[in-house]
Amino acid sequence: EIVLTQSPGTLSLSPGERATLSCRASQSVSSGYLAWYQQKPGQAPRLLIYGASSRATGIPDRFSGSGSGTDFTLTISRLEPEDFAVYYCQQYGSSLTFGGGTKVEIK
Amino acid sequence: EVQLVESGGGLVQTGRSLRLSCAASGFTFDDYAMHWVRQAPGKGLEWVSGISWNRGSIGYADSVKGRFTISRDNAKNSLYLQMNSLRAEDTALYYCAKDEQRLVLGVFDIWGQGTMVTVSS
Repeated sequence: EIVLTQSPGTLSLSPGERATLSCRASQSVSSGYLAWYQQKPGQAPRLLIYGASSRATGIPDRFSGSGSGTDFTLTISRLEPEDFAVYYCQQYGSSLTFGGGTKVEIK
Repeated sequence: EVQLVESGGGLVQTGRSLRLSCAASGFTFDDYAMHWVRQAPGKGLEWVSGISWNRGSIGYADSVKGRFTISRDNAKNSLYLQMNSLRAEDTALYYCAKDEQRLVLGVFDIWGQGTMVTVSS
């Protein structure tokens, strides 16, 4: 099973700042089959990024994904108030596993 | 409007069974694979099971293999999860999620709001 480790656990930033979230896999994720989801309290997750770098429908371009192999990054270029949430990475190249999440909180 | 609505959750004793349902609307249900994903209280996400559009491909997490059975009825636009031999560690909010593709790829582009399952002795 591919284990995904997300860091940091919590990111404290102010609106307008840049957020960089990391997701490291225990083995190479084939074909860049990595996705990112956003989850707000009391809500279901929302797909942001798939294929490591493709934005899902309706996702603002301030969200971008990058990486390959075992190291992936989600970047939010300028944090908006609605972006404070928990973010999960997920690989779908070998079965399906999620990372433990990164909470982006208001500083 | 694309929508997934789960039902069937509740409080159940250890070792008993429960069947979850997910009603889909607003898209062509039999064009896509479907999944169940769960989230224990205060914890992260865990994929449980997935089924392809024609039931030809089915997968389970090791934690539920042999106890849970996923199924779908394309005529009724519905997804199901039969959960047997329930354990305390199965306590979670169970989400129904739509795959981006017909096969079990694992990109979840639409999610329901979830149904809560609590397993207690």
